[in-house]
Amino acid sequence: AIQLTQSPSSLSASVGDRVTITCRASQGISSALAWYQQKPGKAPKLLIYDASSLESGVPSRFSGSGSGTDFTLTISSLQPEDFATYYCQQFNSYLLTFGGGTKVEIK
Amino acid sequence: EVQLVQSGAEVKKPGESLKISCKGSGYSFTSYWIGWVRQMPGKGLEWMGIIYPGDSDTRYSPSFQGQVTISADKSISTAYLQWSSLKASDTAMYYCARRGIAARFFDPWGQGTLVTVSS
Repeated sequence: AIQLTQSPSSLSASVGDRVTITCRASQGISSALAWYQQKPGKAPKLLIYDASSLESGVPSRFSGSGSGTDFTLTISSLQPEDFATYYCQQFNSYLLTFGGGTKVEIK
Repeated sequence: EVQLVQSGAEVKKPGESLKISCKGSGYSFTSYWIGWVRQMPGKGLEWMGIIYPGDSDTRYSPSFQGQVTISADKSISTAYLQWSSLKASDTAMYYCARRGIAARFFDPWGQGTLVTVSS
């Protein structure tokens, strides 16, 4: 099965900071990667699909990039509502897998 | 509006059986996959398996194969996740989520069903 390694596992940042989260696949997955945001007690919410396509209604400060094995999620200017845990998920094989998550906390 | 509505929280004893549900509305239930995802307390997301209600094609993560059964009743637009003999380690939040045939993402997600297994 394809493994996804997210880094860092947690980070502290301030409102207005630029934040970058990395997701590395154990083998090439083309652009078959999605990013989700999860807040405590809530279901995950789709942010990015196909590695770089922004889901409708998601603020443009969120962006995704990458292909093959290395991917990034960038928040250009962190807002108070962005403090949450972020997960990547690959769709290259029928055995779908998630990354371990990155918790973004207030500094 | 496309929605997935899951059944309510459950408290069970080890060894008991359980079937939780996920009802789709606002779209053609037989034309999309429904996946199940586990989240143990304080932990990350784990993909369990997926079913295509149109023909009941079902795939499981190796970690969950034989541990759970995924099914669907297209007549009532509902997918199910069931256990024949629960363990304390099955205590978790379980989410269902929709995937389009060619889509490479899950959206939307159900609100989650909390399963607590305790003697």
